[in-house]
Amino acid sequence: TQLLEQSPQFLSIQEGENLTVYCNSSSVFSSLQWYRQEPGEGPVLLVTVVTGGEVKKLKRLTFQFGDARKDSSLHITAAQPGDTGLYLCAGDNTDKLIFGTGTRLQVFP
Amino acid sequence: EPEVTQTPSHQVTQMGQEVILRCVPISNHLYFYWYRQILGQKVEFLVSFYNNEISEKSEIFDDQFSVERPDGSNFTLKIRSTKLEDSAMYFCASSEAWVLGDTQYFGPGTRLTVL
Repeated sequence: TQLLEQSPQFLSIQEGENLTVYCNSSSVFSSLQWYRQEPGEGPVLLVTVVTGGEVKKLKRLTFQFGDARKDSSLHITAAQPGDTGLYLCAGDNTDKLIFGTGTRLQVFP
Repeated sequence: EPEVTQTPSHQVTQMGQEVILRCVPISNHLYFYWYRQILGQKVEFLVSFYNNEISEKSEIFDDQFSVERPDGSNFTLKIRSTKLEDSAMYFCASSEAWVLGDTQYFGPGTRLTVL
């Protein structure tokens, strides 16, 4: 069974701080997607990384796919209260996505 | 921007009743999926559907579940005899194709409450 573990599970920080969320697996994935989910809503795609070692930037968010395509990280620079939410990584496995355990981020003003 | 839509947003039913959850995928997408998320737990894959047949299904997707694409736009999930443990958010997703790195777009979900 493929599993994706995210760490930390919860993160509370002050506005302006930097943070990194990790997504780790013992399995190799063809690609990995990061989603953000608000309470009571569906996951919204942030980015898809495909190539080992790939780095993608989305404004203050930087995503990296590990060289071996088993892990990924999300780094947020100068976090803002609007970044508050549940961040999910998901690895693709043929016809389905395997979701991570999630990181709940709270950014205080 | 095209989006996946789901109805109803909230469904309350009695244990043992049948429910049908409806989804309208993005119009040019060919692959369709159902996921569920029990409160406080992670999103879990239920089933994928392509070319009018199931591509893959998880252990959760037992004989009580079925999916159908009754027309050119709707994609439905039916639970024949609901159980208390079926209470969850159910998300529909669609993707244009299943190629490397192709993206699945999720609907807003249907909250199913089984009493």
